[in-house]
Amino acid sequence: QKEVEQDPGPLSVPEGAIVSLNCTYSNSAFQYFMWYRQYSRKGPELLMYTYSSGNKEDGRFTAQVDKSSKYISLFIRDSQPSDSATYLCAMKAAGNKLTFGGGTRVLVKP
Amino acid sequence: GAVVSQHPSWVICKSGTSVKIECRSLDFQATTMFWYRQFPKQSLMLMATSNEGSKATYEQGVEKDKFLINHASLTLSTLTVTSAHPEDSSFYICSASAGEGNTIYFGEGSWLTVV
Repeated sequence: QKEVEQDPGPLSVPEGAIVSLNCTYSNSAFQYFMWYRQYSRKGPELLMYTYSSGNKEDGRFTAQVDKSSKYISLFIRDSQPSDSATYLCAMKAAGNKLTFGGGTRVLVKP
Repeated sequence: GAVVSQHPSWVICKSGTSVKIECRSLDFQATTMFWYRQFPKQSLMLMATSNEGSKATYEQGVEKDKFLINHASLTLSTLTVTSAHPEDSSFYICSASAGEGNTIYFGEGSWLTVV
């Protein structure tokens, strides 16, 4: 079993819909949780960074962390075709080594 | 704008030659930098962790003599692919952090094609 599980998708939604992404993990030592967006043939771009459990909102993006369930989510409101990309969850314990999910490919159709 | 810069973005080299890729942190001092490799439609695979002024820590299965990593300053790390072969063709990405608990930013990636 992988340390971080993420549905590969593709997740297809119509423009304007809410995109809901999630990851589960097994390592209870993870304290820092991140979501990255990666366009084809580009490096990952940091979207959200949260520490421990709770919610964090930034514009159209909301990240949720539930450490008791070992479950994190990312919601994208009012999705746009430009949001079509692969979304990677990542997390780490003490130290800086990230553990990634496999990524979810998202398609937002006009 | 980008806070971590990689150069070159694209490189083609002949089999048997060596290629150097640079990773620079632009707005902060990076105590730790990471090098990843990514195959098409797959997630990032960590190759090594480099700390400024010390030897890199390589992940299991990564040849340290083939993938030379140098982190000579707090803003620059380099990855040199030595005696490159076609199977080394891949997307190489670096990331950098200012320290424990700090955000980790990624570079734009470097495409290496060995012919």
